[in-house]
Amino acid sequence: EAQVTQNPRYLITVTGKKLTVTCSQNMNHEYMSWYRQDPGLGLRQIYYSMNVEVTDKGDVPEGYKVSRKEKRNFPLILESPSPNQTSLYFCASSWSSKNIQYFGAGTRLSVL
Amino acid sequence: DAKTTQPNSMESNEEEPVHLPCNHSTISGTDYIHWYRQLPSQGPEYVIHGLTSNVNNRMASLAIAEDRKSSTLILHRATLRDAAVYYCILRDAATDKLIFGTGTRLQVFP
Repeated sequence: EAQVTQNPRYLITVTGKKLTVTCSQNMNHEYMSWYRQDPGLGLRQIYYSMNVEVTDKGDVPEGYKVSRKEKRNFPLILESPSPNQTSLYFCASSWSSKNIQYFGAGTRLSVL
Repeated sequence: DAKTTQPNSMESNEEEPVHLPCNHSTISGTDYIHWYRQLPSQGPEYVIHGLTSNVNNRMASLAIAEDRKSSTLILHRATLRDAAVYYCILRDAATDKLIFGTGTRLQVFP
C-alpha cells in the first residue's frame, strides 16, 4: 500500500532535548516536505526537498533541520526544542513539486 | 503569495449536494487551484485541482469562475464520511508551494 509513515505519532519532551521525527515513503517520490499545523494558522511549510541531498527552507524553518540522504526518508530534527515548537507536524511526498502531495498521519509534539 | 478566503464552517444533510465556496481574488494567471481535505485525526488528502476549466473526478467536481477569482467544490451526495476540513489552496506558480488557509469545516448530519 502506498503510504507516508511518520514516527512517532505522539511525543512529549522537555525544552532542549534533541529529537528526531522520522518520515518514510514507499512511492519512490522525489519531492518531500514537512509542515506544521497550528490552530488558526493552517499548515505552514518548514522545509522541503526536491531530491536526494537537495533541501531548502520553507516558510518557518527556524529551529528545525532536515536531511535527505536517501530518497525514501526525510527526517525532521529539532536540535533544541522549545515550547513554541509544540504543534502537529505532517510529512508529505509527491513525484515533483507540481504533483499531488500525499500526507502522513501526523506527529503531535508537546515541548514542556 | 495569493490567498484564499473560505467560510469557517458549513453544514449539510446526508445524501444532499454540498457546494463549498472559495474566493481567491488575487490569483495569478498561472496559479493552480487545489482542494485538499483533512478528516479527523488524519493528514490532508488530495481532492481535486484545476486551472481554468471545470473538473470532475470520482470524489468531487470543481467549478471555476470565468475570471478565476472564485471557485466551488461540489460534493454531489454528502456522506457522513465527508465530514472534514476542506482546504482551498493556490499552488504558487513561481515556487510550486501549496499555500494552505484555515479551511471550511464541513459537518454532515444523518
